[in-house]
Amino acid sequence: AQKITQTQPGMFVQEKEAVTLDCTYDTSDPSYGLFWYKQPSSGEMIFLIYQGSYDQQNATEGRYSLNFQKARKSANLVISASQLGDSAMYFCAMRENSGNTPLVFGKGTRLSVIA
Amino acid sequence: DTAVSQTPKYLVTQMGNDKSIKCEQNLGHDTMYWYKQDSKKFLKIMFSYNNKELIINETVPNRFSPKSPDKAHLNLHINSLELGDSAVYFCASSQVWGLAPRTDTQYFGPGTRLTVL
Repeated sequence: AQKITQTQPGMFVQEKEAVTLDCTYDTSDPSYGLFWYKQPSSGEMIFLIYQGSYDQQNATEGRYSLNFQKARKSANLVISASQLGDSAMYFCAMRENSGNTPLVFGKGTRLSVIA
Repeated sequence: DTAVSQTPKYLVTQMGNDKSIKCEQNLGHDTMYWYKQDSKKFLKIMFSYNNKELIINETVPNRFSPKSPDKAHLNLHINSLELGDSAVYFCASSQVWGLAPRTDTQYFGPGTRLTVL
């Protein structure tokens, strides 16, 4: 059974600073994908970044990067140069490659960016 | 252009009523999903359809029935609504189910906030 753990219920960061949101996962499938989503207070779920288990390099998308440490089963999201608009809930999710397995989400981390 | 749209955005109803939520995607995706987000923000899959065929049906009460008239639409009908059904329901879509699902990014609709009184 797959499982996603986000240990930080809430985080604060100063504007323009970098912040790391933690995510660990558990799976016995060697082939899987990791996803991060952002949910602002308006409620929509916005896809941010993807990392595949076989990808050699850490994924990056603009100010978002994924610190992927396969041996530790962690996929931390790094947001550089935080902006006020980054204040939101952030969800880590994983999907295994085998069978009809769904996308499984962590409980989320609420990030607050302070001016 | 909205990629994944849901109607209505808000739904307030009495216990025991029957209601439907509609979802449409214009991304040309083959697979669509329904998720439920509870009051603690936990997001869980309910159903998944690939090309109008049901492929994931999590442990959801029989009162919930998805219907996919075509691969661009996935509606959710809920019978005999209960207080515990109050939540935000998200529709999502992704391109391909069968090939490397681990790479298959899901795109979400804006959500429907259902309140059962």
